Amino acid sequence: NAGVTQTPKFQVLKTGQSMTLQCAQDMNHEYMSWYRQDPGMGLRLIHYSVGAGITDQGEVPNGYNVSRSTTEDFPLRLLSAAPSQTSVYFCASSGQYNEQFFGPGTRLTVL
Amino acid sequence: AQSVSQHNHHVILSEAASLELGCNYSYGGTVNLFWYVQYPGQHLQLLLKYFSGDPLVKGIKGFEAEFIKSKFSFNLRKPSVQWSDTAEYFCAVTPGGYQKVTFGTGTKLQVIP
Repeated sequence: NAGVTQTPKFQVLKTGQSMTLQCAQDMNHEYMSWYRQDPGMGLRLIHYSVGAGITDQGEVPNGYNVSRSTTEDFPLRLLSAAPSQTSVYFCASSGQYNEQFFGPGTRLTVL
Repeated sequence: AQSVSQHNHHVILSEAASLELGCNYSYGGTVNLFWYVQYPGQHLQLLLKYFSGDPLVKGIKGFEAEFIKSKFSFNLRKPSVQWSDTAEYFCAVTPGGYQKVTFGTGTKLQVIP
């Protein structure tokens, strides 16, 4: 099993550009999440999904969109990138006791 | 909404010293509790979890944590740290029956050989 995979690993954007961060899992988990990690702030929840077709906002959803058309995939879209979105982004899926299985992360820089 | 506090932001220890990292949460009901570790340049990995039963939980790499319900605490311990334990450690909580996880801000551990 690959677990949780994310692409790309690194990305540089200019202000105003859009892009999609890809996330996929092969563990058949219903619950998936996107977090951003910034120094000194831990992980903050952006959006989450409890199953295909169902998504909801987390703590810091502004500037991001998600969709969940299949159990496996949970892409995160940046609509119009801003320097404040420079961060490391982690996708995760949840196990039986809500333990999080994290992907390798995407390091995003917005100039 | 639940919250998690990790009061130690940066801890420096010599090899073989004992470790205790504090974690307190605010939620009155049943909870699932977790500790994760993030080695430099890597993603978070689960160290241990508590969901019910024995409040003393043993995890990987010799780590353990004790759930003290009356103190809303879930402190992480290791009797003797190694240089390879240098990493950032995150405590996390989710209310029982719910799935949204709240993370603490993390504690950076530096172990000096």
